[in-house]
Amino acid sequence: DTGVSQNPRHKITKRGQNVTFRCDPISEHNRLYWYRQTLGQGPEFLTYFQNEAQLEKSRLLSDRFSAERPKGSFSTLEIQRTEQGDSAMYLCASSLTSGRETQYFGPGTRLLVL
Amino acid sequence: GENVEQHPSTLSVQEGDSAVIKCTYSDSASNYFPWYKQELGKGPQLIIDIRSNVGEKKDQRIAVTLNKTAKHFSLHITETQPEDSAVYFCAAPVGLAFGKGNQVVVIP
Repeated sequence: DTGVSQNPRHKITKRGQNVTFRCDPISEHNRLYWYRQTLGQGPEFLTYFQNEAQLEKSRLLSDRFSAERPKGSFSTLEIQRTEQGDSAMYLCASSLTSGRETQYFGPGTRLLVL
Repeated sequence: GENVEQHPSTLSVQEGDSAVIKCTYSDSASNYFPWYKQELGKGPQLIIDIRSNVGEKKDQRIAVTLNKTAKHFSLHITETQPEDSAVYFCAAPVGLAFGKGNQVVVIP
């Protein structure tokens, strides 16, 4: 257990529905990252925050994807109008900005879109 | 964007033997090189990392070597054990671009 938690761990939804995932980082970490991982692939970077500021969002897969970190602590990732191609593992990671870039990953949320 | 490649994609070794997997990156500005281990159903876990000012780092049975000129770094696992069976990922730069992973299978 790295100290990063994600909820829910599994989500099954029907195509067209909206889903929201939550990530709680290690408390003293001010950077938070979201990745998507499909079978047989490495994590694919989506976006990241430093405190509450979203510093990179150009890699979000489409305008159906959005993320927030309103108080600089937990973060949410929302996918609107889900498609079957959104089925994947969504990973969250956190790190310090002390010059050491070690990212600590949560267990992930596995999404299945029917 | 950053291109990160890992070879071989799958590596099978006998228990007790050594395993070496290699990661090649394209961004010459990269200065931090981590290796993560991912077991089934879990998120990646950092197992060792190295910064560009050193060429090698060891931690018990695992080591990482870095060749900045050739832009590759390698993970070495000695005296492999069944619990080393997993998928291993490298990342660069600054951990935002991951390779596709190396599946390591340790045969008892």
